[in-house]
Amino acid sequence: DSGVTQTPKHLITATGQRVTLRCSPRSGDLSVYWYQQSLDQGLQFLIQYYNGEERAKGNILERFSAQQFPDLHSELNLSSLELGDSALYFCASSALSRGSTDTQYFGPGTRLTVL
Amino acid sequence: AQSVAQPEDQVNVAEGNPLTVKCTYSVSGNPYLFWYVQYPNRGLQFLLKYITGDNLVKGSYGFEAEFNKSQTSFHLKKPSALVSDSALYFCAVSPNTDSWGKLQFGAGTQVVVTP
Repeated sequence: DSGVTQTPKHLITATGQRVTLRCSPRSGDLSVYWYQQSLDQGLQFLIQYYNGEERAKGNILERFSAQQFPDLHSELNLSSLELGDSALYFCASSALSRGSTDTQYFGPGTRLTVL
Repeated sequence: AQSVAQPEDQVNVAEGNPLTVKCTYSVSGNPYLFWYVQYPNRGLQFLLKYITGDNLVKGSYGFEAEFNKSQTSFHLKKPSALVSDSALYFCAVSPNTDSWGKLQFGAGTQVVVTP
């Protein structure tokens, strides 16, 4: 158990809908990262937050947004969902912000299925 | 731009035999390299990382990896494989030209250990 929790584990929804994925980092970690894992794209970095502020952006669609709250949990919002958004979404956390050497610890993921 | 490649989609090995999972990288400057393992329906688990220093890095569950700068490789090894090592293995690189440590992952290598 990495100490990173994600809810829900599974999410099934329809095209055009909006969903929210939640992540709680390990105790004491200030950085939260979101990744998407799909069969065709592999594991892709989406976005990073540090202590409530956005710090890095990757291949994140404009329909997707995220935030990190004062208690350090993070939410990833996916809107106008398309079939191609079906994937496993991982949250990871690490202790530091400016830390390319940091170890990122991953949660169990949320499996999103868009029908 | 940095990239990481895992040239083998799948590695098959008999239990008790040595296991090697290959990874090559391309980065500007010194690389920060990581190995993660993913079991079915689970999140990614950190195995080990190379930041600097000794080229042989020891990690969890008896795994080790050898950093080779001249060959730009970071192969994962285990002297004696177990059936329980069957999983999906990911190599990742963290860019050191960017202080925000987003990981770039390889496509993954499926390891199958047969009894």
